[in-house]
Amino acid sequence: KQEVTQIPAALSVPEGENLVLNCSFTDSAIYNLQWFRQDPGKGLTSLLLIQSSQREQTSGRLNASLDKSSGRSTLYIAASQPGDSATYLCAGPTQGGSEKLVFGKGTKLTVNP
Amino acid sequence: NAGVTQTPKFRILKIGQSMTLQCAQDMNHNYMYWYRQDPGMGLKLIYYSVGAGITDKGEVPNGYNVSRSTTEDFPLRLELAAPSQTSVYFCASSYSLRQRSGELFFGEGSRLTVL
Repeated sequence: KQEVTQIPAALSVPEGENLVLNCSFTDSAIYNLQWFRQDPGKGLTSLLLIQSSQREQTSGRLNASLDKSSGRSTLYIAASQPGDSATYLCAGPTQGGSEKLVFGKGTKLTVNP
Repeated sequence: NAGVTQTPKFRILKIGQSMTLQCAQDMNHNYMYWYRQDPGMGLKLIYYSVGAGITDKGEVPNGYNVSRSTTEDFPLRLELAAPSQTSVYFCASSYSLRQRSGELFFGEGSRLTVL
């Protein structure tokens, strides 16, 4: 059974800092992994989707990497801004080719001006 | 585009009452999902559907029912509400998570309190 873990649960950084959020998963037979952003009182928004054949995916100041062999993914945020403050969640398939995702509990990021 | 629309956004129920959370998507997605999110517990899958007429249980289905009569709509029914069902409920949809553009799209959520 796939388990997804995100550490730390919360992170506070000053504006302008580069930062890395971590995601680990137990079943490496994943076809992709998604990173989501959730603002308070809102739904989740998909940020990046990395296919199993890719090692990285980039969107603006965000870069996500995937290492299936080690069961890890990272989300790199460059030059952080207060508007980046949110909870970031990663999710992977429950098993094999499943069309269901299991989510980590998220990392709550606060970027201080 | 409306995307995934959930109603109501907020609801207070008394113990034992029943209600239906509505979910509609306008993206012609095959797959639809219901999750609940509790503080410190993350997102848990309640039910999901792979297409009209086909539904299946997720991780925490007890106390809930679903139906999928059309591609667009996926209502979640709560029977005999209990305090343990106090949560934020999210509906989500995808064309197929396995596809290269297999993003999962979420609604804004429905906050339910059972007293």
